[in-house]
Amino acid sequence: AQSVTQLDSHVSVSEGTPVLLRCNYSSSYSPSLFWYVQHPNKGLQLLLKYTSAATLVKGINGFEAEFKKSETSFHLTKPSAHMSDAAEYFCVVSDASNQFYFGTGTSLTVIP
Amino acid sequence: NAGVTQTPKFRILKIGQSMTLQCTQDMNHNYMYWYRQDPGMGLKLIYYSVGAGITDKGEVPNGYNVSRSTTEDFPLRLELAAPSQTSVYFCASRSGTGARQETQYFGPGTRLLVL
Repeated sequence: AQSVTQLDSHVSVSEGTPVLLRCNYSSSYSPSLFWYVQHPNKGLQLLLKYTSAATLVKGINGFEAEFKKSETSFHLTKPSAHMSDAAEYFCVVSDASNQFYFGTGTSLTVIP
Repeated sequence: NAGVTQTPKFRILKIGQSMTLQCTQDMNHNYMYWYRQDPGMGLKLIYYSVGAGITDKGEVPNGYNVSRSTTEDFPLRLELAAPSQTSVYFCASRSGTGARQETQYFGPGTRLLVL
């Protein structure tokens, strides 16, 4: 069975400081992994996805994530937070059954 | 391309009423999904479809029905609305060419309140 654990429900950072949103997954299969962002009252937008070609994945708006199989982690990072980054972030794992499993989300607050 | 569109944006239902949430995509995607998002939670899969005429249950299908008569449309039916179905509903689609890493594209959501 697949599952995703987002280790922090809320993260607060100051503008211009680094962002780290943590995600661990459980998969009995070689997983596909995604990070989505949801701004208030909006749908979900893809930030980046792990395609197995490279363990360090670069996404939109300066976000990156590193796939670490030994740690079953896929943490999301950004070197310098911007006010517009304030949103809800979801880590997602998919399996061969065409289903996608979402974490419970991490709410990112950016302090001016 | 409009992508994935959902109607209505917001609806209030009385207990026991029925309604259909509409979802349409114009990307010729094979796979379509319905999710619900409860406050402070991630998305839970209700139903999905891998092509016209084929649907399957997800994690939380009770109280819902779906049909997929065309590639473009994937309506979600609530037959007897209950307060537990108060949620935000998202429709999504992806190409379904076989690559597991395909991106899902999401609609803007339908906010449903059952009183």
